Amino acid sequence: ETGVTQSPTHLIKTRGQQVTLRCSSQSGHNTVSWYQQALGQGPQFIFQYYREEENGRGNFPPRFSGLQFPNYSSELNVNALELDDSALYLCASSLSGGDQPQHFGDGTRLSIL
Amino acid sequence: AQTVTQSQPEMSVQEAETVTLSCTYDTSENNYYLFWYKQPPSRQMILVIRQEAYKQQNATENRFSVNFQKAAKSFSLKISDSQLGDTAMYFCAFKANAGGTSYGKLTFGQGTILTVHP
Repeated sequence: ETGVTQSPTHLIKTRGQQVTLRCSSQSGHNTVSWYQQALGQGPQFIFQYYREEENGRGNFPPRFSGLQFPNYSSELNVNALELDDSALYLCASSLSGGDQPQHFGDGTRLSIL
Repeated sequence: AQTVTQSQPEMSVQEAETVTLSCTYDTSENNYYLFWYKQPPSRQMILVIRQEAYKQQNATENRFSVNFQKAAKSFSLKISDSQLGDTAMYFCAFKANAGGTSYGKLTFGQGTILTVHP
């Protein structure tokens, strides 16, 4: 069973640029959630995708957007990068259903210069 | 909105001893799940244990057990026979039961850094 994989591992961008982060869900999982984790803090929910539709969103501006593909993999796009966007971005996949635990990838470390 | 609070920024324990990490939460939901996740320096968030709010019996997974006090909105994690590999950041997390839908936002606490000393 393949776990959740994220790419790239680390990325450096400058303010104003755009970035795309990728996530492959665990085999059989149809739901993907994205979280932002600032250094030394707990993860903050960005949004969740289920069957290619956004299915819940946290308190993040519209420049954070996403996609989910028919194979359940997902992308997180961030436009007009700001210094505060520097963080670890975590992807988690799960089966649908409120009782299903989320399984996390290793994350993408995004640094904004 | 739900909030999760971990009041211990750092804890330390000697190898083979027992340590308890605290977590409190606030919610108006009656049906929900609580989790403890472990995040070692390798960054991956690993599920340690979970508790369904409708179950009175405390969850146990090998050396890990919880003390779930629903009325007090408290959910502590006990690690018995601590091992060096338990050194990590531990997060308490809350998820409302979305019923038949798949929406399941995890709300995390600020984390507790646990160091196990040899």
